Amino acid sequence: QVQLQQSGAELVKPGTSVKLSCKASGYTFTSNHMNWIKQTTGQGLEWIGIINPGSGGTSYNVKFKGKATLTVDKSSSTAFMQLSSLTPEDSAVYYCAKGIAYWGQGTLVTVSS
Amino acid sequence: DVVLTQTPVSLSVTLGDQASISCRSSQSLEYSDGYTYLEWYLQKPGQSPQLLIYEVSNRFSGVPDRFIGSGSGTDFTLKISRVEPEDLGVYYCFQATHDPWTFGGGTKLELK
Repeated sequence: QVQLQQSGAELVKPGTSVKLSCKASGYTFTSNHMNWIKQTTGQGLEWIGIINPGSGGTSYNVKFKGKATLTVDKSSSTAFMQLSSLTPEDSAVYYCAKGIAYWGQGTLVTVSS
Repeated sequence: DVVLTQTPVSLSVTLGDQASISCRSSQSLEYSDGYTYLEWYLQKPGQSPQLLIYEVSNRFSGVPDRFIGSGSGTDFTLKISRVEPEDLGVYYCFQATHDPWTFGGGTKLELK
């Protein structure tokens, strides 16, 4: 069965970066695009961007360009999202999702000094 | 960006009732290929969103037939014919027709 296992919660300081991971299993990793989504109480759900694990090609929501960088490691069937120049507004739960159907359990990122 | 407006924001029901949620888009969601990429998700407390309906009216694998999606253009509806306890949570519509993809604000389904 399809599983997306995301990395654990992060407590990070403002101005730093964090790299989240999403390990896929139960399907051919390169056969489906991977989406990343942000969820906050205030802003709800926001689509960050998408990556084609086969080619590495990406497309970003313009709001997250410069903030999020999506990559993959095909050898380990893992997708990554790096968030840079973190501010408290980046505090959220971040999800990876295979296509639109299967979501990981989410990673809580808290940005605080 | 396409704005998806969900109504109502919250819905109180009795088990066995029918529930109906509306999702209105600021632009038509019909893509140039003829498909309409409007999906519905349910997020139960403490869980990730789970896909219920894709492309307006197609039930995802394992989704009970009491969930019915309909609509076209800019107006879409999710109906739950007989609400069961496991249906409670927050429902979101989502569009993947226009970049950036966007979500509705959510509708909380709770018991009266």
